Amino acid sequence: KQEVTQIPAALSVPEGENLVLNCSFTDSAIYNLQWFRQDPGKGLTSLLLIQSSQREQTSGRLNASLDKSSGRSTLYIAASQPGDSATYLCAVTNTNAGKSTFGDGTTLTVKP
Amino acid sequence: DVKVTQSSRYLVKRTGEKVFLECVQDMDHENMFWYRQDPGLGLRLIYFSYDVKMKEKGDIPEGYSVSREKKERFSLILESASTNQTSMYLCASSPSFRPKLAGRFWGEQYFGPGTRLTVT
Repeated sequence: KQEVTQIPAALSVPEGENLVLNCSFTDSAIYNLQWFRQDPGKGLTSLLLIQSSQREQTSGRLNASLDKSSGRSTLYIAASQPGDSATYLCAVTNTNAGKSTFGDGTTLTVKP
Repeated sequence: DVKVTQSSRYLVKRTGEKVFLECVQDMDHENMFWYRQDPGLGLRLIYFSYDVKMKEKGDIPEGYSVSREKKERFSLILESASTNQTSMYLCASSPSFRPKLAGRFWGEQYFGPGTRLTVT
């Protein structure tokens, strides 16, 4: 059974700092990995999708990498801003089951 | 832009009531999903559907049923609501890719705004 872990559970940084969020998974037979952002009481907003054949994806100040063999993905946020404060979740979709497994998320606070 | 809408943002129901949660997507996606999200338990898949009238159980289907009569609409039904079904319910949709070698794969998931259901 796929297990997805995100460490740390919470992170607080000053504005302007570059930061890395981590996601690890136990079963490397994945089809894709997706990073989401969730604001309190809201739905999930898709940030980046990495297919299993890709190593990284970039969107603006965000860069996500994928290392299937080690079961790890990182989300890099450059020059963080208070508006980046939210919970960030990763989800992996397995090739055999087709269903997604979500991590519990990292709650990020960027202080002005 | 993909848009996924849910019928209610907040809903309060009594124990034993039949509850309908509706989800509509406007991007002609084949796949639709219902999740619930609870503190400390994360997001858990209740049911999903990869085509009209098709459904598959997720990780926690007990106490729920679903209906997909049209491609754009996926309904979650609580036959007899209970207090342990108080939760945030999230609907999602995604396109589907069908490689020549068979199998069914999911593309990028898009989520609705969520329905906060309270059962008293």
